[in-house]
Amino acid sequence: GQNIDQPTEMTATEGAIVQINCTYQTSGFNGLFWYQQHAGEAPTFLSYNVLDGLEEKGRFSSFLSRSKGYSYLLLKELQMKDSASYLCAVSGNNDMRFGAGTRLTVKP
Amino acid sequence: KAGVTQTPRYLIKTRGQQVTLSCSPISGHRSVSWYQQTPGQGLQFLFEYFSETQRNKGNFPGRFSGRQFSNSRSEMNVSTLELGDSALYLCASSLQGAGSGNTIYFGEGSWLTVV
Repeated sequence: GQNIDQPTEMTATEGAIVQINCTYQTSGFNGLFWYQQHAGEAPTFLSYNVLDGLEEKGRFSSFLSRSKGYSYLLLKELQMKDSASYLCAVSGNNDMRFGAGTRLTVKP
Repeated sequence: KAGVTQTPRYLIKTRGQQVTLSCSPISGHRSVSWYQQTPGQGLQFLFEYFSETQRNKGNFPGRFSGRQFSNSRSEMNVSTLELGDSALYLCASSLQGAGSGNTIYFGEGSWLTVV
């Protein structure tokens, strides 16, 4: 089976940097995904890691360590519009399973 | 290129009734996955279909079922509705499947309220 853990809530200040951690246990692994979900909307794709290391995409970066079952999403230069839930998801075993999500609140 | 389309967007049903939700995937995508999202449980995997075959099923009772047609469109059905079935039902499509490392793209969801 799969077990995916991430913090429930985080708060950060506009312009700052925040790191959202995700740990996972899975019997099959074909990649780790991060999705962003604003309240009342569908999740949208942010990033994908399948090899160890850091993937950078603008203000967002994602890191993966397969041996540790660990990933993080790094958001730089936070903006108010970044207030949303961030979902960590593991692909493998004919499905993609999601963590419960981290609700990020960005304050002025 | 059109995204994933789900219908209906909002619906209210009475306990004991049944409901059918529809999903049209992105053109060329052969895999459709269904998820239930509630505030307390997060995104829970229901099932995945690929080329009209169910490839995997989550931990939901048999009241939840689905199917996929030859044009990759998918439907899910919930029979004998219970209050706890009130949720956002999300459909996601991908080229080769959610478990293969493909990115999955979500529709806007169907908000189901059971009264």
